[in-house]
Amino acid sequence: GQNIDQPTEMTATEGAIVQINCTYQTSGFNGLFWYQQHAGEAPTFLSYNVLDGLEEKGRFSSFLSRSKGYSYLLLKELQMKDSASYLCAVMDSNYQLIWGAGTKLIIKP
Amino acid sequence: DAGITQSPRHKVTETGTPVTLRCHQTENHRYMYWYRQDPGHGLRLIHYSYGVKDTDKGEVSDGYSVSRSKTEDFLLTLESATSSQTSVYFCAIRVGQEETSPLHFGNGTRLTVT
Repeated sequence: GQNIDQPTEMTATEGAIVQINCTYQTSGFNGLFWYQQHAGEAPTFLSYNVLDGLEEKGRFSSFLSRSKGYSYLLLKELQMKDSASYLCAVMDSNYQLIWGAGTKLIIKP
Repeated sequence: DAGITQSPRHKVTETGTPVTLRCHQTENHRYMYWYRQDPGHGLRLIHYSYGVKDTDKGEVSDGYSVSRSKTEDFLLTLESATSSQTSVYFCAIRVGQEETSPLHFGNGTRLTVT
């Protein structure tokens, strides 16, 4: 079957760095997405990786290793507004998105 | 802003009643999706559409139907609501021509079936 695993909840301190991991097993691979979702709001697109390596976009970076079925989202210089859920989703061979249950990130002052 | 509006934003209904949720877009995108989001689960695809009158089922389509008679509107109908359909429903559009283009989501409809 197809499966996406990510931690349910993480806590970090304002100003620090946090890494949110995502492992996946899917039928084929056409890329991995990260979305941010604040409580009570819609998911919003953060990043897309299809090749191995690190993609940096401001304070957020996303890494992919296809051979390991692994990705992480790295958030630097954490701000209180980064408190949200972070959703990992993999696009399979049929271009269907398989979603993880999300990681709730709590930022403490 | 990808111009997606969902209505209603909140709804409480009784078991056995029909319910229709509406998704409206203003930018003529071809692909539209309905998802449900429940605690402990990832977003789950209910139905999607790839054009006017062109729709297909997702992984959790039982108990739901959809219609797309105009490019801008994608309707989700629960023919006879059940308590298991209490959820937050998100509409999404694919912004971009490529199959790997990201999705943009509406603000969601919180549906409670009593």
